[in-house]
Amino acid sequence: DVKVTQSSRYLVKRTGEKVFLECVQDMDHENMFWYRQDPGLGLRLIYFSYDVKMKEKGDIPEGYSVSREKKERFSLILESASTNQTSMYLCASSFAGLMGYNEQFFGPGTRLTVL
Amino acid sequence: EDQVTQSPEALRLQEGESSSLNCSYTVSGLRGLFWYRQDPGKGPEFLFTLYSAGEEKEKERLKATLTKKESFLHITAPKPEDSATYLCAVQALGGTSYGKLTFGQGTILTVHP
Repeated sequence: DVKVTQSSRYLVKRTGEKVFLECVQDMDHENMFWYRQDPGLGLRLIYFSYDVKMKEKGDIPEGYSVSREKKERFSLILESASTNQTSMYLCASSFAGLMGYNEQFFGPGTRLTVL
Repeated sequence: EDQVTQSPEALRLQEGESSSLNCSYTVSGLRGLFWYRQDPGKGPEFLFTLYSAGEEKEKERLKATLTKKESFLHITAPKPEDSATYLCAVQALGGTSYGKLTFGQGTILTVHP
C-alpha cells in the first residue's frame, strides 16, 4: 500500500513565524503535491513537484514556498505565517506512468492554526 | 477553466436505502476522473479512476460510472460506515500543470442505522 506521511497532525504557530510542513512518501512516486482544504472552498493546489528540485506553482502559491531535495520528501514552507493560512494542509503523491499522470494518494493532513 | 460541480451538497439516507451522487464536469479534454472518500479530519482516500465515457468500476457497495459530461457514484444498500464526504476530481488533457486535479466541493453522505 502507498503510504504518505506528514510530520504533524496538529500544529499551532504565531503570526510571523516560519513554518515547515514535511511530507514523505514510500512508493518512489515522481509527483508530489501540496493542497490546502477550507470549508466552502474545497481542495486548492498550492504547489507541486514532478521531480527532485523541480516545482511548479499551483492555484494559490502566494505566501508559500516548497523544497524537494530528495524524491521521497516534499516540504511546504510558510515564510511568515499569517492568520489566513490557518487551514488543513494535505500532501499527496502520484506515479507519473506512461500517460504522465495517475491517481494521487493523500497523507493524513496537518491542521495548522496560526494565532 | 476546468470546473467540477457535485450534487447534492449533503445527502441523508437510511441504512439500506440506495442512492446516487452526481459529479458534473467541464474540461477541455478529459484525461481522468477520480473519486475519493474523506472521513472527518483525515486525508482523502482514493476510490476509483475513470478514463472514458461508458466506463464503470465497482468496489463493495460503490459503483462509479462516467459519461461525457458527468459521473455518478451509486451506493447500493449503504451502511452507517459509508458515511463520509465523497470528492470528485478531474484531470485535463494537455496544459502546463502536470498531473493537476480540479476538485469538486464534495457531497457529505450520512447513513442512519
